[in-house]
Amino acid sequence: RKEVEQDPGPFNVPEGATVAFNCTYSNSASQSFFWYRQDCRKEPKLLMSVYSSGNEDGRFTAQLNRASQYISLLIRDSKLSDSATYLCVVRFTGNQFYFGTGTSLTVIP
Amino acid sequence: ETGVTQTPRHLVMGMTNKKSLKCEQHLGHNAMYWYKQSAKKPLELMFVYNFKEQTENNSVPSRFSPECPNSSHLFLHLHTLQPEDSALYLCASSQVPRELGYEQYFGPGTRLTVT
Repeated sequence: RKEVEQDPGPFNVPEGATVAFNCTYSNSASQSFFWYRQDCRKEPKLLMSVYSSGNEDGRFTAQLNRASQYISLLIRDSKLSDSATYLCVVRFTGNQFYFGTGTSLTVIP
Repeated sequence: ETGVTQTPRHLVMGMTNKKSLKCEQHLGHNAMYWYKQSAKKPLELMFVYNFKEQTENNSVPSRFSPECPNSSHLFLHLHTLQPEDSALYLCASSQVPRELGYEQYFGPGTRLTVT
């Protein structure tokens, strides 16, 4: 079983749509959770950390469900500039960060 | 400069060559990382340094040799690589995870091609 699993997509959505991604992780003792975005041939960039109570940053909302071992990312009012690959990242302990393979999103005009 | 920088951005080397990748972070972080990203695969953590001390080596072949002279600089020395080592090599930094602010910040990467 992979440490972190994501649906690779692709997700193709029209501008203004709401889209949600889920990610599951295998280690119940995982300590930290993040969403990154990665544009084609660029480095991953931190989108947001995910906190136990859930958190929101503008159009982006992240949720953590420890009981089911998954995190989610909701994007509202999608923009063309949101087109990217979204990476789920989980820190088990210490410096052990595990990345999912990413979910590809294309926002269509 | 700000953030995390990496040089070179592109590198083509033969299997018998020796080369080095350089990473520098300007964020005041205490931990630095090397990752490998191959097509269709998740980022693979290769090496981790906390306060200049190596803490993780995830079964990386000895043809990859890291060096961390201080908390701001990280090198990856390459020798006798194989074509399957062709990938994007990413450097990242963070605060040591036991402290607040442990998100990782990545450099732009070195795209390596082994011929």
